[in-house]
Amino acid sequence: GENVEQHPSTLSVQEGDSAVIKCTYSDSASNYFPWYKQELGKGPQLIIDIRSNVGEKKDQRIAVTLNKTAKHFSLHITETQPEDSAVYFCAAKNGIGKLIFGQGTTLQVKP
Amino acid sequence: NAGVTQTPKFRVLKTGQSMTLLCAQDMNHEYMYWYRQDPGMGLRLIHYSVGEGTTAKGEVPDGYNVSRSTTEDFPLRLLSAAPSQTSVYFCATVGGPGELFFGEGSRLTVL
Repeated sequence: GENVEQHPSTLSVQEGDSAVIKCTYSDSASNYFPWYKQELGKGPQLIIDIRSNVGEKKDQRIAVTLNKTAKHFSLHITETQPEDSAVYFCAAKNGIGKLIFGQGTTLQVKP
Repeated sequence: NAGVTQTPKFRVLKTGQSMTLLCAQDMNHEYMYWYRQDPGMGLRLIHYSVGEGTTAKGEVPDGYNVSRSTTEDFPLRLLSAAPSQTSVYFCATVGGPGELFFGEGSRLTVL
């Protein structure tokens, strides 16, 4: 069935380093790819998204890249800070409008 | 402006008991969703509604009922709780184009 695979499941980096989280999707008709950040005890919150007619999008220290041919997209966080520590979810909206989430990545930024 | 309000935040049930998780939104959007979050499985859609008087099944609807009698409210009912329903439940509506706006979650434990 349709699925979104997210890697790694956990990621630990030193403050100031970069972090990269990768997702692959199976439905080639997918056209919308959001990323959500979930802080402890909170609901997920949209941080950035990209649509299938764009290859890269950047917002300050976060960026998302999309490779439609390979069916994968990635989240890049530069100059990581302790407040970036959270669980991150990727998602893909498939050809019939359903949003499928990845399994989540727990990011720890060590001071 | 609270957005999406979920109650209760925590609940412990015994197998076979019934309960209702409440969700209320003040964003006046037609679409509402219920997800469950389990370790290593991301967010999975239980039920959703595209407007007052409508409901539809998501990926994992078994054991849950929903109703949508008003635009604001979208309660999730567990008729006979099972340990497999131990999870964190999130209600969501639409915040912006393509964006899901989540509540803070309800953590349910079934013994």
